[in-house]
This record gives sequence, C-alpha cells and structure tokens, in this order.
Amino acid sequence: GAVVSQHPSRVICKSGTSVKIECRSLDFQATTMFWYRQFPKKSLMLMATSNEGSKATYEQGVEKDKFLINHASLTLSTLTVTSAHPEDSSFYICSARAGLSQETQYFGPGTRLLVL
Amino acid sequence: GQNIDQPTEMTATEGAIVQINCTYQTSGFNGLFWYQQHAGEAPTFLSYNVLDGLEEKGRFSSFLSRSKGYSYLLLKELQMKDSASYLCAAMDSNYQLIWGAGTKLIIKP
Repeated sequence: GAVVSQHPSRVICKSGTSVKIECRSLDFQATTMFWYRQFPKKSLMLMATSNEGSKATYEQGVEKDKFLINHASLTLSTLTVTSAHPEDSSFYICSARAGLSQETQYFGPGTRLLVL
Repeated sequence: GQNIDQPTEMTATEGAIVQINCTYQTSGFNGLFWYQQHAGEAPTFLSYNVLDGLEEKGRFSSFLSRSKGYSYLLLKELQMKDSASYLCAAMDSNYQLIWGAGTKLIIKP
C-alpha cells in the first residue's frame, strides 16, 4: 500500500515558538493532502485541504495565519503552527491521496505536539 | 446537514464476531470508508464500499446499503489486537470525507 511519512513524530516546544511538521508521500504523487487534528478520545477534525501548487482551503474556525500550510511539491506538504500556545497541544495527522476522485486517503503516523 | 452516527463503544469476546454499524447523511455520496485506529496512532485503511453489498477481506467484511444510508463492519474470529477504535467515514459529492466519532471496540479474553 501507499506510504505516508510524517516528521517529527513528537515535539515539545515553548509557548510562542513556531513548529513545522512535514508530511511526505513516499511512493506516490499526492495531488491532495489533508491536515487533521485529533484531541484525546475524539474523532479526526479536518483542518485544511491542500492541493499541490495552490493555496490551502481551511475549514471554518481554523486560523490560516496560525496554521500555515504549504504544498510545494507532489510529495511534500508542511504545516507550521505559528506562535504556539498550550491549547495547540494535540495530535496532528496528515493524509494524502493520489487523485481527485474516490481514491483512498493514506495517513501519516501523526505528530504529537506538546506546547509548554 | 451532514452526519455520521456510530456507537461509541462495544465489547466483544476473543474468538467471537462483532458488527459495528454506521449510518450516514451526506450531500451526495462517493463511497464509505472504514478505518482502524489504535490508541495513540494514526488511522489505517480497512475498506471502501461504493456499491451496495458485502465486501469480504479476510476476517473483516464491510457492507453498504446506499438506499438506507447504512454500512457495517463485520469482524470475525476476534483477536486481542483488534481492540481499537473503528472510524466510519462517508465521502460527499465534493470528495470530502465526513467522519464519524469512532467506535471503541474492547475485546475481552
């Protein structure tokens, strides 16, 4: 199956700093990548959808200036949490799919962010 | 609005069979996905149904009825490692996934 990697797997940072999370599709070209956030014992919450070479589409309530998403190539998308605060602590998961239609989303292993 | 309903938690015995139900309401429909998620890990793909009927894949099977807006995931010969959350997600007309809250499956020896 398709492989998606995510880096780092865990990060601890101080309040006010910025954190960058990378999502890579290793064996396929991902025209679309998704960024999710998941709180403990809750379902996935879609934050934004990014298509290669265009601006990300953010879900309602997600601050685009705080969560910067860049999809620079068909295999790499990055999420930068700017000026992180303790309430940004969460599990961030990316997923990727190869086509626009009903192609399956393949998930990265997730990044656990703790902001002190 | 768009909505996915699935039970919050289920308990079953090792070696038994369990069926996890999911009902959905979406704007358009482009398929129904089931994912497995172990605690602290990202979801992994289990199945995809877009036509009515049963799709069997080893110990896991998934069923879809589009007219009823209903799907189920059937797990046979349960093993302790099957203890996880099972997420149902329907794809709408914009090819966006609408996620259920997940069903936590507890397997007892």
